[in-house]
This record gives sequence, C-alpha cells and structure tokens, in this order.
Amino acid sequence: QVTLKESGPALVQATQTLTLTCTFSGFSLSTRGMRVTWIRQPPGKALEWLARIDWDDDKFYSTSLKTRLTISKDTSKNQVVLKMTNMDPVDTATYYCGRTYSSTSGDGMDVWGQGTTVTVSS
Amino acid sequence: QSVLTQPASVSGSPGQSITISCTGSSRDVGGYNYVSWYQQHPGKAPKLMIYDVNNRPSGVSNRFSGSKSGNTASLTISGLQPEDEADYYCISYTSSISWVFGGGTMLTVL
Repeated sequence: QVTLKESGPALVQATQTLTLTCTFSGFSLSTRGMRVTWIRQPPGKALEWLARIDWDDDKFYSTSLKTRLTISKDTSKNQVVLKMTNMDPVDTATYYCGRTYSSTSGDGMDVWGQGTTVTVSS
Repeated sequence: QSVLTQPASVSGSPGQSITISCTGSSRDVGGYNYVSWYQQHPGKAPKLMIYDVNNRPSGVSNRFSGSKSGNTASLTISGLQPEDEADYYCISYTSSISWVFGGGTMLTVL
C-alpha cells in the first residue's frame, strides 16, 4: 500500500524558512519513473503546483517561486523535503505531497498525502 | 491569475452529462499531452481522475473521460451522480519546464 504523509510546523513567522517533509511508504524513489510533487492550496483558493523531484534527482520548480524553493530527497529514509524561504502571510496554505509513477499514471499524481496546514504569522 | 482558464462553476442534474473546459495556449495544453484532471471534495486531498489527456487510472469510473482539441482540454462526466459534486482542477505541463493548475471548477449536481 502506497502512503504519503506531510509534516512540518503549523505556524511560521514571516521571513522565516519553512521546511516540510513528505514521508512515504510502499514505493521507492529510486525506481525509474517515480516522482514526488509538492502542491499547495490557500484557504478557499485553487491548487498551486510548487515543485517536483524525480527518481534520477531531476528537479523542477514553479516559475514564480523558483527562487524561494528547494526540493531534495533522502532515498534511504523514504523522504522528500521542500524548503521555502522568506515566508509571507500569503503563503498560508495546506501543503500536499503526491506520488507519480509513470508506469501506472503517466504524468498524473495518483496517491496523495492528507496535507499539512501552514499558517504564516506577520 | 491561473494560466489555464476553467469555468468557475458548472451544474447538471443526476444522469446528465457535463463538460468542463481547460483553456491554455500552445505553450502548455496545446503543446503537450500532459494534461491531468483532479477531483477535490471539501477538506480532502485531490484525487486523480484523468492523466495524459485521456487516460483513466485504475479504479476511476468510466463515466469520466478526457479529451483535447488545440489549446483546450476537456473533462466530461456522464451519468452525473450526487457524489460527483466537487471541485475539479486541470493541470498541464508547460514549456517553462514546470506545471500549472487551472483555477478550478465547482461542479454542482442539482
């Protein structure tokens, strides 16, 4: 069974750096075609794509946020970490991580974590 | 403002069919066959309904189908059921080597 779970601080101060961890099980991020993506959703608003890391360590970032984001993986720990610098109240959102396995879901994210809510205080 | 344009809302009666559009450009929807659709119920994580324009993941009802024409992708839901009431989002790969979501569409089953 494939599961993912996001973790991180529920509250951060403006200008601080947010570190979120996606811990997964049921698959290996060293398997060809495996990918993990982070997205977010501000309260009452649309989904926003943030970043993706692939089995071969390729990394992709939102064009509007790329200067603030860093994604990395620890295959031995089954974790993907997202760092976002210079947090602002507009970054208040629920952050989700999702898995893509090209063999079964092409470019789509077929399994998601439950999400973690982050509030940025000014 | 999202790069991909979706109608804010659509509605239909049980048993009817509805279509949700997702309009982009040649730099995203029109240029690649990497359009996915997600269903999201309130307070829940998104659920993949269609990937790579017109492919259904295992376990997704065949009432859901996807297509693309030019710069517009579409999600069609046939035989509407009350449980289909949710928000729907499209997402596409872009020429910026990134992905972008649409603004989302609220589906109401009357």
